[in-house]
Amino acid sequence: AQSVTQPDIHITVSEGASLELRCNYSYGATPYLFWYVQSPGQGLQLLLKYFSGDTLVQGIKGFEAEFKRSQSSFNLRKPSVHWSDAAEYFCAPRSNDYKLSFGAGTTVTVRA
Amino acid sequence: DARVTQTPRHKVTEMGQEVTMRCQPILGHNTVFWYRQTMMQGLELLAYFRNRAPLDDSGMPKDRFSAEMPDATLATLKIQPSEPRDSAVYFCASGNSYQETQYFGPGTRLLVL
Repeated sequence: AQSVTQPDIHITVSEGASLELRCNYSYGATPYLFWYVQSPGQGLQLLLKYFSGDTLVQGIKGFEAEFKRSQSSFNLRKPSVHWSDAAEYFCAPRSNDYKLSFGAGTTVTVRA
Repeated sequence: DARVTQTPRHKVTEMGQEVTMRCQPILGHNTVFWYRQTMMQGLELLAYFRNRAPLDDSGMPKDRFSAEMPDATLATLKIQPSEPRDSAVYFCASGNSYQETQYFGPGTRLLVL
């Protein structure tokens, strides 16, 4: 069965510190992979996506993610977080029939 | 800047009432998705359409929910009759099968009393 896991429910990080959010998936083949961010009371905004090619992908707001086939992972990183990065982050593999499967999400709190 | 729009943004209704949520996909997009977000279940796919035809509604309670696309610029999600357990945020997303990415609307926050 296809599944996606975000092991960290909540992460607290200091402003200016680095951030890494984990995502592991279990799919028959390498799916298309997405990271979305949701600010409180808002819809989901696409941060970045991986389809093929270079395994390190750059996104908006200074985020990047690395696809590691051997680990079935697609972790999201940011070198230096800003207070505005406080939000909930969702990893979402997409299967061949265009359906996204969302992880449970990781809530990021940024402390001053 | 093209965006998915959803109306209403907020809806409070009483149990048993009909609720209709509307979505205008981004012009030119040929796939439309309906999701529901709750604290307990997270984000769940309810139904999706391609070229206005329903492809999958397996995530939708069939007895009370229905989804349609009367035309390429409008998708609707209807609940009749509504129940308190339907309280959630309902998101519409659209995409272009050639671009592979889904773009989300701001959601409709539904509260059924």
